[in-house]
Amino acid sequence: GDSVTQMEGPVTLSEEAFLTINCTYTATGYPSLFWYVQYPGEGLQLLLKATKADDKGSNKGFEATYRKETTSFHLEKGSVQVSDSAVYFCALTRNSGNTPLVFGKGTRLSVIA
Amino acid sequence: DTAVSQTPKYLVTQMGNDKSIKCEQNLGHDTMYWYKQDSKKFLKIMFSYNNKELIINETVPNRFSPKSPDKAHLNLHINSLELGDSAVYFCASSQDRGTRFIQYFGAGTRLSVL
Repeated sequence: GDSVTQMEGPVTLSEEAFLTINCTYTATGYPSLFWYVQYPGEGLQLLLKATKADDKGSNKGFEATYRKETTSFHLEKGSVQVSDSAVYFCALTRNSGNTPLVFGKGTRLSVIA
Repeated sequence: DTAVSQTPKYLVTQMGNDKSIKCEQNLGHDTMYWYKQDSKKFLKIMFSYNNKELIINETVPNRFSPKSPDKAHLNLHINSLELGDSAVYFCASSQDRGTRFIQYFGAGTRLSVL
């Protein structure tokens, strides 16, 4: 079945450091890919998405590019802030109707001042 | 206005009790979901409803019974609660057109079974 693998956390960075969270997937066909973020005590919010190969999703300084050849969707940010501290989830869904999201296990990011 | 709202936010109860969690969305979406997040933050789909009809039922114990009185609501009833049911339960919704594939989540219900 479909699956998502993302790097284990926790990740601790200093403010203004560069962030990469790796995500790879296994799926039949061409899924849509997402990054969701969960701030402490809150629900999940969509951070960015890409629906086809070579698409780049971006939001709030975060970026991820849909790489079909490596089945990857790595999340990057050039300069993290303390307010970016959260749990980040990579996820996919099939492009066939409203199918549920398949999530990675989440990566906790802590940014220290 | 909250797009996807769940109540209650916290639920503490004894083993063996029956409890319900309610979910409402005001986005006009056709499909609603229940996900379970365990203590290690892993999220997994439990149920999915489209226009009040059950379309996905993962391997969830039959003590869990979703009910959709209309397409804006999807409630989750849990019978004979067990310790292992302690988790955060998230409701979500999505639409078949336009912003398809994007799911909008509620804030979650943290269930603690003692």
